[in-house]
Amino acid sequence: GENVEQHPSTLSVQEGDSAVIKCTYSDSASNYFPWYKQELGKRPQLIIDIRSNVGEKKDQRIAVTLNKTAKHFSLHITETQPEDSAVYFCAASNQAGANNLFFGTGTRLTVIP
Amino acid sequence: DAGVTQSPTHLIKTRGQQVTLRCSPKSGHDTVSWYQQALGQGPQFIFQYYEEEERQRGNFPDRFSGHQFPNYSSELNVNALLLGDSALYLCASSLPGGYTEAFFGQGTRLTVV
Repeated sequence: GENVEQHPSTLSVQEGDSAVIKCTYSDSASNYFPWYKQELGKRPQLIIDIRSNVGEKKDQRIAVTLNKTAKHFSLHITETQPEDSAVYFCAASNQAGANNLFFGTGTRLTVIP
Repeated sequence: DAGVTQSPTHLIKTRGQQVTLRCSPKSGHDTVSWYQQALGQGPQFIFQYYEEEERQRGNFPDRFSGHQFPNYSSELNVNALLLGDSALYLCASSLPGGYTEAFFGQGTRLTVV
């Protein structure tokens, strides 16, 4: 089955700096890679996703890059703000339906004001 | 739209007992998946239901079973509870077709004592 590894497990940055979280996956058939943000006691919420036929996608301060050859993808958050503090999960899906997600172990991001 | 709703929000069970968790998908969604999230970990895929049938299954024993009803709502049943089953159980629903966002419910916090 799919195995997704994520690092770092914790990340602290100063407000305004950039944050980068990296994930690798094992199944070459994986074709959909979402990122979820989970605040304490709340549900995971999708912040950005990318399909295997795209190398990079950007949405305001958030961007995701995908390297299919190396089987890794990364989340980039620029101009971080205190409200970005949360746990971020990468995930991979190996079939057309996106609701069979295999998650990484999460990165706790703390943005220091 | 109430989004994905789960019940109950919290539950305490004794080892060896059985439990049923419930999920109502977001309006218009027909695919429901269940995930187990242990404390400090990423969600782990249990199984996915579509058209009232289990379509995919993660690495979980047969003690975990489910059902989907004609109105797309779903149940997760766990038999012979173990202490290690204590976790947050998340339900996620999505639209038909591939590459669609999985919307998560708030989860059911199950504690096995």
